Amino acid sequence: GQQVMQIPQYQHVQEGEDFTTYCNSSTTLSNIQWYKQRPGGHPVFLIQLVKSGEVKKQKRLTFQFGEAKKNSSLHITATQTTDVGTYFCAGLNDYKLSFGAGTTVTVRA
Amino acid sequence: EPEVTQTPSHQVTQMGQEVILRCVPISNHLYFYWYRQILGQKVEFLVSFYNNEISEKSEIFDDQFSVERPDGSNFTLKIRSTKLEDSAMYFCASSWATDTQYFGPGTRLTVL
Repeated sequence: GQQVMQIPQYQHVQEGEDFTTYCNSSTTLSNIQWYKQRPGGHPVFLIQLVKSGEVKKQKRLTFQFGEAKKNSSLHITATQTTDVGTYFCAGLNDYKLSFGAGTTVTVRA
Repeated sequence: EPEVTQTPSHQVTQMGQEVILRCVPISNHLYFYWYRQILGQKVEFLVSFYNNEISEKSEIFDDQFSVERPDGSNFTLKIRSTKLEDSAMYFCASSWATDTQYFGPGTRLTVL
């Protein structure tokens, strides 16, 4: 079945620095979605990418969908303490979202 | 802003007991889902539901699990005979089409 791999599992970032988390699928995706889960919370939808090579920005977050629609990345610039949480990518095929294991981000002030 | 709601927020049960987890999806959504997240692990797909029937289910969703939409607003997940390994956070989600899914706050199920 479809597998979605996400790296790194943990990201410790100095406040103000940039970082990137990467997502790879074993199969071509119809779209990819990114979610953020704060500690003790539920996944909150951030963005959806549909087109090959698509790039979308939300303030300090930049999301990219690969040309082959099998990989994606999330880049955060100037990390803030509010960025703490786990970022999941999720590949959509048919009705099912297959989540990656997530990148858990901690921020050093 | 419309939200998915779930009750109860925390359910404690004895092994072998039946539990029903309840969800109220966003009112105009047509697709409904259940996911689970074992503590510290990733979110895992259980089942999707559309047009009053299961559209897809994972290998986790065996015959101990069932879903139902008993009326126009509720969507339930039943576990017939709970096992210790069923302890997890269970998230309900809904979507208008097969795209953006909105998650509820979750029910934490603890099986003793």
